[in-house]
Amino acid sequence: AQSVTQLGSHVSVSEGALVLLRCNYSSSVPPYLFWYVQYPNQGLQLLLKYTSAATLVKGINGFEAEFKKSETSFHLTKPSAHMSDAAEYFCAVSETGANSKLTFGKGITLSVRP
Amino acid sequence: NAGVTQTPKFQVLKTGQSMTLQCAQDMNHNSMYWYRQDPGMGLRLIYYSASEGTTDKGEVPNGYNVSRLNKREFSLRLESAAPSQTSVYFCASSFNARGLRDGNTIYFGEGSWLTVV
Repeated sequence: AQSVTQLGSHVSVSEGALVLLRCNYSSSVPPYLFWYVQYPNQGLQLLLKYTSAATLVKGINGFEAEFKKSETSFHLTKPSAHMSDAAEYFCAVSETGANSKLTFGKGITLSVRP
Repeated sequence: NAGVTQTPKFQVLKTGQSMTLQCAQDMNHNSMYWYRQDPGMGLRLIYYSASEGTTDKGEVPNGYNVSRLNKREFSLRLESAAPSQTSVYFCASSFNARGLRDGNTIYFGEGSWLTVV
């Protein structure tokens, strides 16, 4: 069975500071990995995904994530936080076989201080 | 450019009442999903439909039923609502459930806020 762990439920950074949101996965086979963002009262929007190509994945809004198999991690980073980045972020994992489905982490709320 | 459309957006039910959440996608996707989102729990899969004519249970199916009406539409029914079903419900779709490969991004609707009193 696959699972995702997002440590902590809330991260607060100052505007302009580095954003680092952690995600560790557990999967019996090499997985696909995703980061989604949810703004208040909206649905989820795909930020980026890893599907066994390049291990460093660039997404929208300046975010990127690096797949590290040895650490079973897929941490999300952004060099300089903007006020508009305040949202909830979800990491998700999927196996690559037939009929695979997404399994989500519990989510992390990012706050950005002026 | 509708994508995934859910109705209603907000609903208040009394315990024991029934209701159906409707979902439609206009992206010609094969697979559709219903998730619920609760504080501190992330998103949990209720039911999914890998293709038209098939439905399968997800992680938390108890108390729900689904119908894949056609390729576009996938409804979620609460037969006898309970306060534990107070949640935000998301419908989603993807082109193909076989591994969510490149290009098979899963797209979400805007959510339906359900309160059971």
